[in-house]
Amino acid sequence: AQKITQTQPGMFVQEKEAVTLDCTYDTSDPSYGLFWYKQPSSGEMIFLIYQGSYDQQNATEGRYSLNFQKARKSANLVISASQLGDSAMYFCAMREGESQGNLIFGKGTKLSVKP
Amino acid sequence: NAGVTQTPKFRVLKTGQSMTLLCAQDMNHEYMYWYRQDPGMGLRLIHYSVGEGTTAKGEVPDGYNVSRLKKQNFLLGLESAAPSQTSVYFCASSWVAGGSYEQYFGPGTRLTVT
Repeated sequence: AQKITQTQPGMFVQEKEAVTLDCTYDTSDPSYGLFWYKQPSSGEMIFLIYQGSYDQQNATEGRYSLNFQKARKSANLVISASQLGDSAMYFCAMREGESQGNLIFGKGTKLSVKP
Repeated sequence: NAGVTQTPKFRVLKTGQSMTLLCAQDMNHEYMYWYRQDPGMGLRLIHYSVGEGTTAKGEVPDGYNVSRLKKQNFLLGLESAAPSQTSVYFCASSWVAGGSYEQYFGPGTRLTVT
């Protein structure tokens, strides 16, 4: 079974609108972390936001917020006020436990922002 | 402060040839990782290291070897390249394994095996 599932291979959003990218995860470890990375067409991996399993509040970083629903095992990324530069691949990733740091990635969602 | 660098950026190999990919970080990070990215897939962990002199297998280790002789360097070796190893390889490093510390990624190495 996949540990990280991103069900939207591609998404379109109008510039200045908000968009939600879905991510569900599967783990039995009570301690885990959830990350979102952005990969523009140039190829580099850019860290966006982090949510810990014990965090009580949803993480926010500028225009990025993470809608963390622990019981549903979902960690959706919300981008507000989309910009053309947000067009990229977005990857959800999970770290299980605290000792090794390995990330398990989803297959990604390609976001296209329309002017 | 260069962050994480990878050498080379591009390489074309023939089946059976060997090569070494070099990853270097200048952030004094303990943890280092090698991932591969194939079309339509997320990144998959090949090998990782939790400190100088240590290495461990990840999800897809077959056909690769690694070494971490110096804290700042993590080498990925292909002893006998196969077309299935055509991929983009990313190195990453992090200060600690847990908490909110993200992994910093290098720019990637695009490898083609013909």
